[in-house]
Amino acid sequence: GIQVEQSPPDLILQEGANSTLRCNFSDSVNNLQWFHQNPWGQLINLFYIPSGTKQNGRLSATTVATERYSLLYISSSQTTDSGVYFCAYSGGGADGLTFGKGTHLIIQP
Amino acid sequence: DAGITQSPRHKVTETGTPVTLRCHQTENHRYMYWYRQDPGHGLRLIHYSYGVKDTDKGEVSDGYSVSRSKTEDFLLTLESATSSQTSVYFCAISGGRNTEAFFGQGTRLTVV
Repeated sequence: GIQVEQSPPDLILQEGANSTLRCNFSDSVNNLQWFHQNPWGQLINLFYIPSGTKQNGRLSATTVATERYSLLYISSSQTTDSGVYFCAYSGGGADGLTFGKGTHLIIQP
Repeated sequence: DAGITQSPRHKVTETGTPVTLRCHQTENHRYMYWYRQDPGHGLRLIHYSYGVKDTDKGEVSDGYSVSRSKTEDFLLTLESATSSQTSVYFCAISGGRNTEAFFGQGTRLTVV
């Protein structure tokens, strides 16, 4: 199956900092999503972004399908941004979404 | 928020007992999925459904069965629960095979 790698695995930042999370995949994918799992375990949809760039408030995402990566940008971090960020794809002959291992983000006040 | 309800939200059960988890959607989406989330493994697909009475296996289907008799409901059954099935279970829905998926709030199952 398609391999997906997320980096960095862990990130600790001060409130107000900016960050870039990366998702690399080993082959073409049909769909790419970014999720935020908050400290209560809820999976929150951030972006559905098979290609191109999208922005939602302080968050934006870019997927370059031809180069097989996606980036999630978080600007002016807040403590509520803490949690685990997952990228997930569908495609490559697999059904459903295949998840990366996530980036664990801690925003300190 | 997508209309997805999982029940129960928490359950403790004994080894060897049957357990059924329910996922209910109000979005009329065709696809429904069951995932489990475990430390070190992330989320993995157990089973999915692409229509009423149409289901298929995912990556970690052993020990689980599913049923979908109505568009809005997708049931996950552990016929005889084992400690290795202690996990957090998530239901997801999507309108098509490669379209955006939305997740329920999860069910924390503990098998003792």
